[in-house]
Amino acid sequence: ELKVEQNPLFLSMQEGKNYTIYCNYSTTSDRLYWYRQDPGKSLESLFVLLSNGAVKQEGRLMASLDTKARLSTLHITAAVHDLSATYFCAVDTGTASKLTFGTGTRLQVTL
Amino acid sequence: NAGVMQNPRHLVRRRGQEARLRCSPMKGHSHVYWYRQLPEEGLKFMVYLQKENIIDESGMPKERFSAEFPKEGPSILRIQQVVRGDSAAYFCASSLGQAGKETQYFGPGTRLLVL
Repeated sequence: ELKVEQNPLFLSMQEGKNYTIYCNYSTTSDRLYWYRQDPGKSLESLFVLLSNGAVKQEGRLMASLDTKARLSTLHITAAVHDLSATYFCAVDTGTASKLTFGTGTRLQVTL
Repeated sequence: NAGVMQNPRHLVRRRGQEARLRCSPMKGHSHVYWYRQLPEEGLKFMVYLQKENIIDESGMPKERFSAEFPKEGPSILRIQQVVRGDSAAYFCASSLGQAGKETQYFGPGTRLLVL
């Protein structure tokens, strides 16, 4: 059974600081997604990573994928309060019909 | 372009009643997925449907839950004789092509509360 683990589960950081969220998964992956979820809201797609070494950046967020290590990272640069949300990674193995989600990282950016 | 639409957004039921959740996929999408999110947890896959067919229901509870995606109209997730443990957010997603090949886009969710 595919397992997707994120760490940390909860992250409190000050504005202006940098930090990285890690996503480990237990089997080969065709695609890896990062989603953002605000409280009581749906999931917003942030990044889709398709191949080993893929790196994508949008604003203060940068995601990367290492398929050999089965690891993806979401790096936050100079955090701002608006980034406070829960971030999920999700793995699509290509052979199954579903996304398998990580446990989520709840990010709180304080002033 | 309208995104994935779900209704109702909030649903309150008493134990033993039935809950019907509806999902209209994005225009042109014929693949629909249902996920459940319990409080403070990630989303868990329930079922994958194409028009008139259930492709993968490996995440569906064996009893009380059913799903359909008719030729015309929205996809329906039906929960019979609801219990308190069914309280959760239910998200629908749709994709243009088959699972594993296309990005899934999520709807706003239906928050079900069972009293």
